[in-house]
Amino acid sequence: GAVVSQHPSWVICKSGTSVKIECRSLDFQATTMFWYRQFPKQSLMLMATSNEGSKATYEQGVEKDKFLINHASLTLSTLTVTSAHPEDSSFYICSAATVTQYFGPGTRLLVL
Amino acid sequence: QQQVKQSPQSLIVQKGGISIINCAYENTAFDYFPWYQQFPGKGPALLIAIRPDVSEKKEGRFTISFNKSAKQFSLHIMDSQPGDSATYFCAAKQDRGSTLGRLYFGRGTQLTVWP
Repeated sequence: GAVVSQHPSWVICKSGTSVKIECRSLDFQATTMFWYRQFPKQSLMLMATSNEGSKATYEQGVEKDKFLINHASLTLSTLTVTSAHPEDSSFYICSAATVTQYFGPGTRLLVL
Repeated sequence: QQQVKQSPQSLIVQKGGISIINCAYENTAFDYFPWYQQFPGKGPALLIAIRPDVSEKKEGRFTISFNKSAKQFSLHIMDSQPGDSATYFCAAKQDRGSTLGRLYFGRGTQLTVWP
């Protein structure tokens, strides 16, 4: 139980395009989902917290107009990186929370 | 400000040895302390977690020791195996009185177990 999926697992895109990443809790309902960014050999950096049906709460320094988060249902949250640039290249990980946070497998984004 | 401090940054242990990773926190409101294991290119996976009402929790070869007065907790991996080679993150969060429940992570420890 407690499986979280992400799609796609990796994506390569051109600079200036937008990329959407999906996060799904497969066997449980998650009131809250979290989006993280992780650079090589570093810890997870929380980008935003989203609750179903309400606006996401972004961490300081994270541009909400660049990283659009939608949490339309208790099992699905999406992160859209708008007008992606090479510096947005990173490993993006979502988690879905009940009492415990369960993490997805991550999405590797490479912006050329 | 780093809410959870983790050490060491890297650790090399011989197969069969004990791996010990330490974490410290400042916020006494934290009441849930999980450890996550992450392999390269994968998301973190929950390994074991503890609440401050107990001083130790053991699951198989993995043990958390918790010292509430010192605000420290540690992960012990007994009989370390090459398959344990991964990055380990400690974390803390406030469950009671909090609606967001965000996790605060340590910087991670890269464990290498030599055969």
